[in-house]
Amino acid sequence: GAVVSQHPSWVICKSGTSVKIECRSLDFQATTMFWYRQFPKQSLMLMATSNEGSKATYEQGVEKDKFLINHASLTLSTLTVTSAHPEDSSFYICSTSGRENEQFFGPGTRLTVL
Amino acid sequence: AQSVSQHNHHVILSEAASLELGCNYSYGGTVNLFWYVQYPGQHLQLLLKYFSGDPLVKGIKGFEAEFIKSKFSFNLRKPSVQWSDTAEYFCAGLFKAAGNKLTFGGGTRVLVKP
Repeated sequence: GAVVSQHPSWVICKSGTSVKIECRSLDFQATTMFWYRQFPKQSLMLMATSNEGSKATYEQGVEKDKFLINHASLTLSTLTVTSAHPEDSSFYICSTSGRENEQFFGPGTRLTVL
Repeated sequence: AQSVSQHNHHVILSEAASLELGCNYSYGGTVNLFWYVQYPGQHLQLLLKYFSGDPLVKGIKGFEAEFIKSKFSFNLRKPSVQWSDTAEYFCAGLFKAAGNKLTFGGGTRVLVKP
């Protein structure tokens, strides 16, 4: 399957700052990537679908101005959490979609906002 | 709306015991089904998937799952678990109406006692 990396693996920031998380598809050209959020002991919730060269599609209830997604190339999608607040603290996971629509997940980024 | 549900939130069992995790989905059309596993501190990995054909699907690490269309179920089984099977297991569905977006169940945390 595809190999997906994320950077950073964890980040701690002050409230009000912005944080950028990178998701890279290392061996697969990904026209579509997905961003999920996972709260402790809970399942993954899809935040948005990132499409190469076009605007991301956000799920209902996800603020697009707060969670900026850029998918500028076939191997890189970025999620920027703008003006982060403690309630944004979570585990953010990206994935790419394979040929048979199975998804390959990155290792996740743990964000802690103080 | 389409949904995936997992009946058990937590399962505790001893090594060599048999494991069965329930998964049901709600959708009347074409569905692809997946089981993912998340070992402690690691990213999600695909255990197995069902698209069509033989409803009994064999995956990695000795796991299998059976798609029963009449019951809208896709239960995961392993005849004899090991301590290393301690992980969180997620059932997910890809529903035609939702395009290529995965819908996850709530997850089942499995603890195998040595």
